[in-house]
Parts: sequence; structure tokens; C-alpha cells
Amino acid sequence: QKEVEQNSGPLSVPEGAIASLNCTYSDRGSQSFFWYRQYSGKSPELIMSIYSNGDKEDGRFTAQLNKASQYVSLLIRDSQPSDSATYLCAVNNRRGSYIPTFGRGTSLIVHP
Amino acid sequence: GAVVSQHPSRVICKSGTSVKIECRSLDFQATTMFWYRQFPKQSLMLMATSNEGSKATYEQGVEKDKFLINHASLTLSTLTVTSAHPEDSSFYICSARASSVNTEAFFGQGTRLTVV
Repeated sequence: QKEVEQNSGPLSVPEGAIASLNCTYSDRGSQSFFWYRQYSGKSPELIMSIYSNGDKEDGRFTAQLNKASQYVSLLIRDSQPSDSATYLCAVNNRRGSYIPTFGRGTSLIVHP
Repeated sequence: GAVVSQHPSRVICKSGTSVKIECRSLDFQATTMFWYRQFPKQSLMLMATSNEGSKATYEQGVEKDKFLINHASLTLSTLTVTSAHPEDSSFYICSARASSVNTEAFFGQGTRLTVV
């Protein structure tokens, strides 16, 4: 089992819809979870961090964490074509220096 | 979010030469920095983790004599690709974290290295 798993997609949604991105992780002791957005040819950009169970909202983005089920999700409301990118889920692994472990990313396409 | 500056953004070098890439945290002190490489349409591959003042910890399969990492201050880490070859052509990205515990890391802009 991979440490952090994401569906590679692509996930295609119409403009204005809600995009739902999911991620599961294997280390039950993980305590820090992050979502990054990466546009093609660019470096990742942090969009959300979440540390406790439940929902965390920031503008059009909502991160959801369920430690019992070992999953974290990202909802994007009112999706825009500019949201089209690869979304990376990262979990701080407890080994060593709490190294961020990344999933392979989910490609999101928002079509007009 | 915090700002991490990586320089140069793009470099072309001849095979056999060395290239140095700088990663600076501009508005925070980076206790830990990470170096990644990414090939087209592939996921991030962690190369090494460096803590300020300590030797870098390299991931399995990454040659530490080829990819020299220095993290001499809390705001600067460098990656030197020595004796570069065309197969080293890739997108190199650093990230920096303010604390050694479970906080978020911020990425630099990345360096696209082309070895000819």
C-alpha cells in the first residue's frame, strides 16, 4: 500500500460545479495534512493545511479530515477554469524530520 | 504564505560542468529544507532533507557526491549538481519549513535544468 494515495484522474467538472478531491494515507499516526496546487510547468503552491478532524474552510476551498478513516479531501466550490491543475495531497510522515510524503496528484479539469 | 525564492529559474549547461541552485526563505527562518526533482508528467521525487547546520539526509538511490547540498544558514540552502549529464536534466524544486515539527512547507519556483 502506498503511503499517500490519490486518484490520478483526470477529474472533469463543469464551471461552477463542486470539485471533490480525495486522498488516503497509511500512517495512522500522521497529524499534519496539506493540499498543494501545481500548474503545469510550475512548482506546487500550498492552498490548505489541516491538523484536526472535521472541516476547514478558506474561501472556495474546504479541507476535510477523518483520521479514523485515514482520509483527507478537498472540495472546491464554484470551480473556475483557472482551477484546472494537479492537486497534490501531502502528509507529514513521522520518520526522521517529519518528511512530507506526497501523493501522485489528481489532475482537475474545469471546462467552461 | 511564506516566500521561498529559488534561483536560477532556468539554466542550460554543458555536459560535465557543475550547476549551483540556491533556495532562500525570504521572510522566515527555515529549519528544514527539502530538495525534489520532477520529470515531465511525473510526481515529485524527494532527493534529500537538510536541517540547518547538519549534513543532508539523502533518499535511497540519490548520489550524495553528485548532488551536493549545503544548508549553512537558516535562510539559504544550495544544491550543486556536479559533473552534470543529459540524464540530470529535470525540474529541481526546493521547499522550506520554519520548524522541524509538523508544519507546512513552502516551495520555491523551481529550476529547470537542461544539460546539453
